[in-house]
Amino acid sequence: NAGVTQTPKFRVLKTGQSMTLLCAQDMNHEYMYWYRQDPGMGLRLIHYSVGEGTTAKGEVPDGYNVSRLKKQNFLLGLESAAPSQTSVYFCASSSPSGEGEKLFFGSGTQLSVL
Amino acid sequence: GDSVTQMEGPVTLSEEAFLTINCTYTATGYPSLFWYVQYPGEGLQLLLKATKADDKGSNKGFEATYRKETTSFHLEKGSVQVSDSAVYFCALTSNTGGFKTIFGAGTRLFVKA
Repeated sequence: NAGVTQTPKFRVLKTGQSMTLLCAQDMNHEYMYWYRQDPGMGLRLIHYSVGEGTTAKGEVPDGYNVSRLKKQNFLLGLESAAPSQTSVYFCASSSPSGEGEKLFFGSGTQLSVL
Repeated sequence: GDSVTQMEGPVTLSEEAFLTINCTYTATGYPSLFWYVQYPGEGLQLLLKATKADDKGSNKGFEATYRKETTSFHLEKGSVQVSDSAVYFCALTSNTGGFKTIFGAGTRLFVKA
């Protein structure tokens, strides 16, 4: 029972480099989310998707792009990494049916931008 | 906009002590309220939830009551254990445009043996 899987778990980037974080879920959930977690600030929503082929901006979308080409995958891209993007990134998924608003989280990606 | 405020930590307790972590919220409409827990090195997992006023959510000895009149959802446990050491997040979800969940800043709990 994999649930929500994030790759990679750790990454170090230099300022200006680009990278893609991958999130995969095997629960057939319609909704997927990307959050960042920073000390003292809880989790803040970056982007989310309510279905395959659709994405929307969350609270802190600047500097990030996302794609949802397949229902089970949600990719988060950093086009030109900045030190302010050093954070722990969490992917989550949910379904409007079944358990409703409950979020299922991956184990996170720790990103450092030097 | 919607928001969640919870007490700052860290909270340090001895085993078997009583725990309260305060949480208040601001929201339009009638949100659902949640407590999530994060153990070291892991993602968040749902601890309990309440979907309407006066509902009590409970799990693993923890409980919280949805108080609409005071816009609060305080987390309580009568006797904490060392294994309860974690970060606790209060959250609310509005069901407009996809279920978007808003989190509080988190409260770290340390329980000493």
